[in-house]
Amino acid sequence: GNSVTQMEGPVTLSEEAFLTINCTYTATGYPSLFWYVQYPGEGLQLLLKATKADDKGSNKGFEATYRKETTSFHLEKGSVQVSDSAVYFCALSDSGNTPLVFGKGTRLSVIA
Amino acid sequence: NAGVTQTPKFRILKIGQSMTLQCAQDMNHNYMYWYRQDPGMGLKLIYYSVGAGITDKGEVPNGYNVSRSTTEDFPLRLELAAPSQTSVYFCASSWTANYGYTFGSGTRLTVV
Repeated sequence: GNSVTQMEGPVTLSEEAFLTINCTYTATGYPSLFWYVQYPGEGLQLLLKATKADDKGSNKGFEATYRKETTSFHLEKGSVQVSDSAVYFCALSDSGNTPLVFGKGTRLSVIA
Repeated sequence: NAGVTQTPKFRILKIGQSMTLQCAQDMNHNYMYWYRQDPGMGLKLIYYSVGAGITDKGEVPNGYNVSRSTTEDFPLRLELAAPSQTSVYFCASSWTANYGYTFGSGTRLTVV
């Protein structure tokens, strides 16, 4: 079946450091890929998405590129801020009618 | 701009009690979902619905029931609560799965 594997956290970075959170997937066909972010005490929010190979999703300084050849969708940000501290979830959907499958989440803590 | 509204936000149940978690959305989304979030385990799909009158089981449906009599509402019923149902429950809605979900703020349930 479909699955998503994320790097385990927690990840602790200093402010202005470069961030990478790895995500790889297993799916049949051509899935759509997503990153969601969950701030403390809140529900998940869509951060970015990509629907086909080589697409790059971007939002709020975060980027991720859909790499079909490596089945990956790694999340990156060039300079993190304390306000980026949250849990980040990678997810996929293999068709318009299939619910999202989520990874286990990666907790990011950014210290000043 | 209510989006997805979940009630209650917190609840403590005794073993064997029953309760209904409420979820309502005002975006006219056809798709609605219930997930549970356990520490370090990501989100697991309980039930979902692709429209009024249609529901389907997800990965972990045992001990839960749902109904979808209107487009707006998607309540989750717990019968005979057990400690294993202690979790944070999230409701979400979307146009389609690969359009991106809007999540509610969650219900934190403790069964003692």
